[in-house]
Amino acid sequence: LAKTTQPISMDSYEGQEVNITCSHNNIATNDYITWYQQFPSQGPRFIIQGYKTKVTNEVASLFIPADRKSSTLSLPRVSLSDTAVYYCLVGDGRYNFNKFYFGSGTKLNVKP
Amino acid sequence: GAGVSQSPSNKVTEKGKDVELRCDPISGHTALYWYRQSLGQGLEFLIYFQGNSAPDKSGLPSDRFSAERTGGSVSTLTIQRTQQEDSAVYLCASSHPPGLAGGPPVVQYFGAGTRLSVL
Repeated sequence: LAKTTQPISMDSYEGQEVNITCSHNNIATNDYITWYQQFPSQGPRFIIQGYKTKVTNEVASLFIPADRKSSTLSLPRVSLSDTAVYYCLVGDGRYNFNKFYFGSGTKLNVKP
Repeated sequence: GAGVSQSPSNKVTEKGKDVELRCDPISGHTALYWYRQSLGQGLEFLIYFQGNSAPDKSGLPSDRFSAERTGGSVSTLTIQRTQQEDSAVYLCASSHPPGLAGGPPVVQYFGAGTRLSVL
């Protein structure tokens, strides 16, 4: 399973755009990049997933450069409720039983 | 139910006792996963079920840990002779079966977890 590296923590203010970058130098050809969000006392929740270039949904955008060795989760205009831990996962569901290495994630603290 | 349900939400036990944690997955999800999360840490994979079988038990930390799933639905994680280092939040997730050829990983849906405290 490809290992990922992300910042341990980040601070931001309400209304700002937040970009969290994840490094995955050993990503394999069949691997996808998936981000989950975890609030205190809750299980993680799926945010976004992509393979290459750019993916956007109602919550976030995911930017993946051509070499796929890193990816950036972009949260537009964050609010206090976006304070959470964000996990970057890399894996191929088919060949790894959808088993992911969650790591420690990035703790995002949004301030008023 | 609408989501993954875990019970109990909190469990306090004495060292050496056995505990059972229950997970009720989303209806129709054939895949089920157990994870462990220690305070302030990431998730540690424990075991994966597809239907009633467990093709991947690689994450179980010792032979005191076991899990079963019956009827392709409810799963029970059992910890025998609990130790203080077993104290953690135990999370369960379910999903549709992993992996169409060349397709993306399926989304896992998590319960709120069971917080286990071993005194």
